[in-house]
Amino acid sequence: QSALTQPASVSGSPGQSITISCTGNSSDVGGYDYVSWYQQHPGKAPKLMIYEVSYRPAGVSNRFSGSKSGNTASLTISGLQPEDEGDYHCSSYTSSDTLVVFGGGTKVTVL
Amino acid sequence: QVQLQESGPGLVKPWETLSLSCTISGGSISSYYWNWIRQPAGKGLEWIGRFHTSGNTFYNPSLKSRITMSADTSKNQLSLKLHSVTAADTAVYYCARVPRSVRPTGIYYYYYYMDVWGKGTTVTVSS
Repeated sequence: QSALTQPASVSGSPGQSITISCTGNSSDVGGYDYVSWYQQHPGKAPKLMIYEVSYRPAGVSNRFSGSKSGNTASLTISGLQPEDEGDYHCSSYTSSDTLVVFGGGTKVTVL
Repeated sequence: QVQLQESGPGLVKPWETLSLSCTISGGSISSYYWNWIRQPAGKGLEWIGRFHTSGNTFYNPSLKSRITMSADTSKNQLSLKLHSVTAADTAVYYCARVPRSVRPTGIYYYYYYMDVWGKGTTVTVSS
């Protein structure tokens, strides 16, 4: 069982916006602005999409945005496109002795 | 730009030691922290540990008793050893870079996310 909780799946039509949640506790998501998001296509390595809650690395589309409220972080994909299909994983620093925790991943389907 | 490439045996027998390497090209192994992460088929990511050539390491407590992380700086290569493996250790194993920035004091600050990942290597534990 993953330390952070994500929905198993989220879907949307092209052009729509979807939001993926990532829920932790005050020792991780809620206590620090160290949440990151990774996109993973089948058979490929994860790719960094968002770091420190809301920052986008160079080259990542501004259709991807991150936010946080309390113990829940969110990744929003606006203007959904077919190439956005894949799995999305959240991660956070944790003050527990694990240091880094991940969510279970969310499968995004473009209808 | 930095690239990472994992390599390993592919198949390991139960209770044996899994040995993986991660070769770093386009950058210095000593300049960053490096994470190992694994992913069982169809499941989420699991953080294994974080390593620096200075000797500073952080291991996932659930694996700590079975893990050894090290590096060969002459080859710019990381190493992960996982002892006494079972079927539960079957997964794709990734190495990934932890980025850093420099404080005004000149001290390096290392982040908690991973900006460059290898393609991963699949390990199956089976007799």
